[in-house]
Amino acid sequence: DQQVKQNSPSLSVQEGRISILNCDYTNSMFDYFLWYKKYPAEGPTFLISISSIKDKNEDGRFTVFLNKSAKHLSLHIVPSQPGDSAVYFCAASWDKFYFGSGTKLNVKP
Amino acid sequence: NAGVTQTPKFQVLKTGQSMTLQCAQDMNHEYMSWYRQDPGMGLRLIHYSVGAGITDQGEVPNGYNVSRSTTEDFPLRLLSAAPSQTSVYFCASQTSGGDGYGYTFGSGTRLTVV
Repeated sequence: DQQVKQNSPSLSVQEGRISILNCDYTNSMFDYFLWYKKYPAEGPTFLISISSIKDKNEDGRFTVFLNKSAKHLSLHIVPSQPGDSAVYFCAASWDKFYFGSGTKLNVKP
Repeated sequence: NAGVTQTPKFQVLKTGQSMTLQCAQDMNHEYMSWYRQDPGMGLRLIHYSVGAGITDQGEVPNGYNVSRSTTEDFPLRLLSAAPSQTSVYFCASQTSGGDGYGYTFGSGTRLTVV
């Protein structure tokens, strides 16, 4: 049973618009959440994280929002750029580190 | 460049064959782990190690063995390959903990078992 779920396998967005990637989790013990970005034929790379004591964290064009009551995490990319096209994994940790199944983002020029 | 090095990048095995996937890091990280990536399943933890001489099982350990004789190396052994082990394998390292913050991943090994 997956504890971290990304229900949208893919997302297509026009360049310059906002990309919103969503993630849901089931385990209320998770205390740290992360987003990783993966290009083809490369390993995932860390993008942004948020602690469970916060509800928002920003880093440039990337903002992660955490809604603990809904057990929901989202990543906003504004503005989206073609170079953002990649697979995005959300992840959560408590005792170990659990990944979602990924969302493939395509940013169209 | 410092990082996590995985070899080989690609491998085709016949059912029943054994092999070792190599992973080495030069960052003096304590925590190392192996994941497999399958479509629709994300990355699932196979085995991990919190330091030399210490290993433990993750979510999907069956059919795999690991050892950690040095800080730098964390090989993953497939004992008797099965088609269900066709996957992309990633090794990762971290300074400590395993909470995912500051993970460095290798570029992956794509394994096909026929």
